[in-house]
Amino acid sequence: SSELTQDPAVSVALGQTVRITCQGDSLRTYYASWYQQKPGRAPILVLYGNNNRPSGIPARFSASISGSTTSLIITGAQAEDEADYYCNSRDSSRNLVIFGGGTKLTVL
Amino acid sequence: EVQLVESGGGLVQPGRSLRLSCAASGFSFDDSAMNWVRHVPGKGLEYVSFISWNSYSTGYADSVKGRFTISRDNAKNSLYLQMNSLRPDDTAVYYCVKSMGPLGPIESTGSYFDFWGQGALVTVSS
Repeated sequence: SSELTQDPAVSVALGQTVRITCQGDSLRTYYASWYQQKPGRAPILVLYGNNNRPSGIPARFSASISGSTTSLIITGAQAEDEADYYCNSRDSSRNLVIFGGGTKLTVL
Repeated sequence: EVQLVESGGGLVQPGRSLRLSCAASGFSFDDSAMNWVRHVPGKGLEYVSFISWNSYSTGYADSVKGRFTISRDNAKNSLYLQMNSLRPDDTAVYYCVKSMGPLGPIESTGSYFDFWGQGALVTVSS
């Protein structure tokens, strides 16, 4: 089965730009989606497909794709962006979904 | 407003069974594939299972295959997860999750999860 790899933790200064990466062979074939999860809360969808944002997600969230790596980019990080971020995609070898291990974002 | 409300969680002994339910409202339930995703506190999200809109297609993570069964009742706008032979490592918050499309992972929208329930805590312990 496939795997998605994320850095466990990333930090960014308030107002600066941060990139959270997700790497896996399945991303060469399938788009990823990204989820934000705050402590004690359910995840919410922040990006999906070819850089699409659901209604209500700020424009400072965007995605980039290069080969087997997709990145969530926050341009001008805010204090409320501090959270865990997960990527997912279809498993390239089975009709299932896989998640990355998650990245804890700290806004300094 | 889309709502997904899980119920049926609780404390259960190893080897026993539990059935989770999810009541859906605010969208066309029978137009959407549905999923269960779990979160072990302090760890990451783990995909558990999916079911297509018409129940023809289902899938399970290796960790639960043969023990868990997903089902749905479109007439009742409800999703279920029957969990048998529970183990301590099944302890997690279980989320009922809506896919953007009807078919599940086989289609491009199958892994885009646009709405999540608030979660049901399942604790497996003696």
